[in-house]
Amino acid sequence: AQSVTQLDSQVPVFEEAPVELRCNYSSSVSVYLFWYVQYPNQGLQLLLKYLSGSTLVKGINGFEAEFNKSQTSFHLRKPSVHISDTAEYFCAVSRNTGKLIFGQGTTLQVKP
Amino acid sequence: EPEVTQTPSHQVTQMGQEVILRCVPISNHLYFYWYRQILGQKVEFLVSFYNNEISEKSEIFDDQFSVERPDGSNFTLKIRSTKLEDSAMYFCASSERQGAYEQYFGPGTRLTVT
Repeated sequence: AQSVTQLDSQVPVFEEAPVELRCNYSSSVSVYLFWYVQYPNQGLQLLLKYLSGSTLVKGINGFEAEFNKSQTSFHLRKPSVHISDTAEYFCAVSRNTGKLIFGQGTTLQVKP
Repeated sequence: EPEVTQTPSHQVTQMGQEVILRCVPISNHLYFYWYRQILGQKVEFLVSFYNNEISEKSEIFDDQFSVERPDGSNFTLKIRSTKLEDSAMYFCASSERQGAYEQYFGPGTRLTVT
């Protein structure tokens, strides 16, 4: 069975500072990895995904993530955050069935 | 840009009552999903649906739950006899295909059972 752990429930950061949101997964088979973002009162929106190939994946809004198979991690990074990045971020895994298994979520709070 | 819509945005019901949550997936998508998020907890998979059949369901999706695609556009989740613990945000999602394909989520329906 697969599982996802997001190590930080809240990450406060000042505007224009870099940020890393951590995600570790557990799976005995190959999985697809995703980061979703949820802005207040909205649904989940895909930021980026890792399927195969290059371990560095670039997504929307300047975010990127690096797949590390040996550490079973898929951390999300942004070199300079904006106030508008304040949201809930979810790491998720899936296999060919399409079922997404989510982590607990990390609240990114960007302060001016 | 096409989007998944859900109605109502908020539903309040009494314990034991039946509720139907409605979703309109993106028109050319073939796979449909329901997830839920209890306040303060992670988003959990409930069920996936393809070709008018349930493809996969979680342990949460017991006999009190059912899904239906009554016409070419709607996708519904029915809870027959609601319990207090069913209070949650329910998200509908759709995708063109399974696996690596992006699931597009609706804004959710907040269900409150009193």
